Amino acid sequence: GNSVTQMEGPVTLSEEAFLTINCTYTATGYPSLFWYVQYPGEGLQLLLKATKADDKGSNKGFEATYRKETTSFHLEKGSVQVSDSAVYFCALSEGGGATNKLIFGTGTLLAVQP
Amino acid sequence: NAGVMQNPRHLVRRRGQEARLRCSPMKGHSHVYWYRQLPEEGLKFMVYLQKENIIDESGMPKERFSAEFPKEGPSILRIQQVVRGDSAAYFCASSSPNSPLHFGNGTRLTVT
Repeated sequence: GNSVTQMEGPVTLSEEAFLTINCTYTATGYPSLFWYVQYPGEGLQLLLKATKADDKGSNKGFEATYRKETTSFHLEKGSVQVSDSAVYFCALSEGGGATNKLIFGTGTLLAVQP
Repeated sequence: NAGVMQNPRHLVRRRGQEARLRCSPMKGHSHVYWYRQLPEEGLKFMVYLQKENIIDESGMPKERFSAEFPKEGPSILRIQQVVRGDSAAYFCASSSPNSPLHFGNGTRLTVT
């Protein structure tokens, strides 16, 4: 079945460091791919998405490119801030976008130190 | 413009009791999803509902769990005869057709 694998955390970085969180997926068909962010005590917020191969999603300085050849959707940011500390979830959408039934990775905790 | 509202935020139940979790979708949203987040794990899909209809319940445990989304009022996730393994964060999300999900802040259920 479909699945998402993302790198385990925690990831601890200093402010202004470069961030990469790896995400790979297994899916039949052509899923949409997402990154969600969860701040402490809150629900998930959509960070960015990509709906087809070679699409690049971007938001708030974060980027991820839908790579069909490597089945990956790695999250990157050039310069992290303390306020980026959160748990980041990679997800794919089954049903070709017709529904929002998402399969999530296990999440990666990012801790940014001043 | 209120987002997805879930209540209660925290719920403590003893083994064998019933838990009722409520979710009011965003205004204008007719699709509701429930997800469960077990400790140290990602979110797992449970059920997808539209008004008065269960569309996909493939992630729901076969026993003790039920969900509804009536014509009037919030969506309810009901867990009967709770056990310790039901302790988790339960997230509701809503959407309109072809729009992304908006999540609530979750209900954290603790079974003692």
